[in-house]
Amino acid sequence: ETGVTQTPRHLVMGMTNKKSLKCEQHLGHNAMYWYKQSAKKPLELMFVYSLEERVENNSVPSRFSPECPNSSHLFLHLHTLQPEDSALYLCASSHETGSWGGSGANVLTFGAGSRLTVL
Amino acid sequence: LAKTTQPISMDSYEGQEVNITCSHNNIATNDYITWYQQFPSQGPRFIIQGYKTKVTNEVASLFIPADRKSSTLSLPRVSLSDTAVYYCLVAPRRSSSNTGKLIFGQGTTLQVKP
Repeated sequence: ETGVTQTPRHLVMGMTNKKSLKCEQHLGHNAMYWYKQSAKKPLELMFVYSLEERVENNSVPSRFSPECPNSSHLFLHLHTLQPEDSALYLCASSHETGSWGGSGANVLTFGAGSRLTVL
Repeated sequence: LAKTTQPISMDSYEGQEVNITCSHNNIATNDYITWYQQFPSQGPRFIIQGYKTKVTNEVASLFIPADRKSSTLSLPRVSLSDTAVYYCLVAPRRSSSNTGKLIFGQGTTLQVKP
C-alpha cells in the first residue's frame, strides 16, 4: 500500500459505456497526476492537477475527462472509448511545494493502477 | 526538458551487482536525477534521487560524475525480486511552475536469473 489508492483495479467496458476511475491519496500531497501505460510503451502523462487546478493537459482526447474535487481525490471520467484506449491507467501524487524536509525535484507516489479493457 | 537514454534491457544473475547507466547530455543546472522501479501491472516506485556526486540509501546507490551528463544506478547483490523496469528521469527543482514536468522514457528492463 503506497498511500495512493485506485479503484477499480480492473474495468471492462464497451465503447458506448460511461465509467469513471477514482484515485485517492492520504499523503497530504497537493499535486495529482494521471498517466497512461499501454503495452510495451512508456508511461504517457495525461493530466496534472496542482492545488486542484489543472496545469497540464497533454493533448488528451476529450473522451477522457479529469476531475479533481479536492487535493485528495482525482477522477478520470471515460466516455465513448476506443479499443486502443485499453491500457493501465496510473494515478500519482506529489508534494509540489512547501516543506517536506528537502529540496530536489518532485517525487511521485503511484497507485497500483486501473487496468482498463475496452471491447 | 532533458532527454534521457538508457539501455532497453539488461540481464544479471542473483548476487551480482548491477549498474544501469542513463545519459542526459542536456541536463540543466536546476535539474535533479531520479530513478524509479516498476514491477508488472504496478505503478512505478521511487528508488533514489540525486544532484551530484554520490547518493546512497538502503536500496541503491546513485553515482553522478562532475559534468552530470550521465548517472549510474547501482543495485548491490540483486535477487530475483529485483527483476523490473528501471526508469531514469531528469526534472527541475520543485516549484509551482515545474509541476507536471515528469516524463518517463522507455526504461531499462532488468532480468535477474537464478
